[in-house]
Amino acid sequence: NAGVMQNPRHLVRRRGQEARLRCSPMKGHSHVYWYRQLPEEGLKFMVYLQKENIIDESGMPKERFSAEFPKEGPSILRIQQVVRGDSAAYFCASSPQGSAARGTGELFFGEGSRLTVL
Amino acid sequence: AQSVTQLGSHVSVSEGALVLLRCNYSSSVPPYLFWYVQYPNQGLQLLLKYTTGATLVKGINGFEAEFKKSETSFHLTKPSAHMSDAAEYFCAVSPGQLTFGSGTQLTVLP
Repeated sequence: NAGVMQNPRHLVRRRGQEARLRCSPMKGHSHVYWYRQLPEEGLKFMVYLQKENIIDESGMPKERFSAEFPKEGPSILRIQQVVRGDSAAYFCASSPQGSAARGTGELFFGEGSRLTVL
Repeated sequence: AQSVTQLGSHVSVSEGALVLLRCNYSSSVPPYLFWYVQYPNQGLQLLLKYTTGATLVKGINGFEAEFKKSETSFHLTKPSAHMSDAAEYFCAVSPGQLTFGSGTQLTVLP
């Protein structure tokens, strides 16, 4: 059973470039969550998506960040015009039936994508 | 609103000694509580969770945690540390989107 797959594992971008991070949830999971982990900090919730729908984006910065989870293919977190402060590890997690939203289930995490902005 | 406070960003114990990682939470509704572990350059793995029922919860790798409502705590313990326990540990609370603490880095000394 494949777990949550994230790619790339490591990404280096120069200031002003775009970063695209991809996430394929576990088989059978239709709910995807993105979290950001800054150095020496815990994980901060960014966005929760189901197929073709953004359910909760309360943790997403208002500018430059967007996320999608199309009917076909992986979920994508897109960061436009990256700045050095965007350097972080970005984790994707999935769950079946939105169990994390109800609070009774667990999230299954990928290994993360580590973005470095030069 | 909900929040998690993990006391001690770094904890060191000797191999074979008791592990105690502290977590206090704040929640306006009955909480669901989780402990996750993160090994270097990996994602988070669930250690254990409390939803309802028994307040002493047992997890993987010999870890357990006790939900104490009166103290708003959910401390993680393991009777005897092993070198392989060295990792970062995160406490988290819900319902709603999981809110994580800032983590505790556990070092196990030989």
